[in-house]
Amino acid sequence: DTAVSQTPKYLVTQMGNDKSIKCEQNLGHDTMYWYKQDSKKFLKIMFSYNNKELIINETVPNRFSPKSPDKAHLNLHINSLELGDSAVYFCASSYSGTGGTEAFFGQGTRLTVV
Amino acid sequence: SQQGEEDPQALSIQEGENATMNCSYKTSINNLQWYRQNSGRGLVHLILIRSNEREKHSGRLRVTLDTSKKSSSLLITASRAADTASYFCAPGYSSASKIIFGSGTRLSIRP
Repeated sequence: DTAVSQTPKYLVTQMGNDKSIKCEQNLGHDTMYWYKQDSKKFLKIMFSYNNKELIINETVPNRFSPKSPDKAHLNLHINSLELGDSAVYFCASSYSGTGGTEAFFGQGTRLTVV
Repeated sequence: SQQGEEDPQALSIQEGENATMNCSYKTSINNLQWYRQNSGRGLVHLILIRSNEREKHSGRLRVTLDTSKKSSSLLITASRAADTASYFCAPGYSSASKIIFGSGTRLSIRP
């Protein structure tokens, strides 16, 4: 069973469209994240949710809206896609126990905006 | 900034040699984690070292932590072609809901 799964794996779309990426974890974790990795491989945190509550929103345009229907899911909706949104988006989850725990990552969604 | 800074940015060594990469950070931490990313894949957790630990081993990996210098190092011994990847450190703070990465070290193992 895949611990953190994202769909779709590849997404090609035109500028101006709205798209969603889904993420699900079956690890019982209480914290989920979205990261963006650009062409230079820099991995930037976008959002963090703990128990369905938004914890971190790192200067992300409001065209990006995360939605967490329950602790096992964190979806990313993107409105009015722009060329600069092309990147690989990773979902991750972890448990927010004392002292920190490891994060598990999905396989990534490669978004290409044309 | 709460992210770690990995050094060097790129490292190329011969198979069988040891690889050392470093991570520096700026504020006090609870723990520090190292991750590996193979090309086109998600990150994989390698090791977590807590602030009260100085050294930790996992197979061919050895991680050290010097909280006085706010730095950590990852040593991979007897490198293999499969170790070719990018390596990221992630300092951990009191808020466990934030795992932030630097730009990573790209390690290439030459046959």
